[in-house]
Amino acid sequence: EAGVVQSPRYKIIEKKQPVAFWCNPISGHNTLYWYRQNLGQGPELLIRYENEEAVDDSQLPKDRFSAERLKGVDSTLKIQPAELGDSAVYLCASSLVQQETQYFGPGTRLLVL
Amino acid sequence: GDSVTQMEGPVTLSEEACLTINCTYTATGYPSLFWYVQYPGEGLQLLLKATKADDKGSNKGFEATYRKETTSFHLEKGSVQVSDSAVYFCALIGDPGGFKTIFGAGTRLFVKA
Repeated sequence: EAGVVQSPRYKIIEKKQPVAFWCNPISGHNTLYWYRQNLGQGPELLIRYENEEAVDDSQLPKDRFSAERLKGVDSTLKIQPAELGDSAVYLCASSLVQQETQYFGPGTRLLVL
Repeated sequence: GDSVTQMEGPVTLSEEACLTINCTYTATGYPSLFWYVQYPGEGLQLLLKATKADDKGSNKGFEATYRKETTSFHLEKGSVQVSDSAVYFCALIGDPGGFKTIFGAGTRLFVKA
């Protein structure tokens, strides 16, 4: 069974540029999460989807971050414009609905110069 | 709010040494507790979990016991291997049905041959 797929694995951009990350969850997993992991810290939830619905986006900086999960499968997280402080690893995870165990992708490492 | 505190790393051990990584938590209710592991270049994966007081989670020779009286969930292994070198994250879900996972900062373990 394929795991959670994320792309790209690495991204280097200049500040004020836009950037997008893509995630394909495990087949059949209705719940999808986006996390941000700063260097030396644990992941912090940005947004959680149940199918197409964003059920928890309280930690998403909505002035520059946006996310979508069309058709309840793949998801895209966008930052526009990027700031130096957005340099981090962006993790996607998925789970079966109402299950606590999450399955993580390898992450996208973003560096903003 | 809910929080997780784990011992700072890195922890460096020789092969076959005993391992303890301390984790304490703060939560208002009765959280579920988890240990996730992140091997180099890979995503986080669940190592073990416990959902109620006095439960013991175990996997791959690792164990952790849910201690409500001390609000702790320390990770232990009797004999570590080089292949155990990774970053270990303690985490909790404090609101049953909410599935918002709070992670600790992670503890990096190096095991020398």
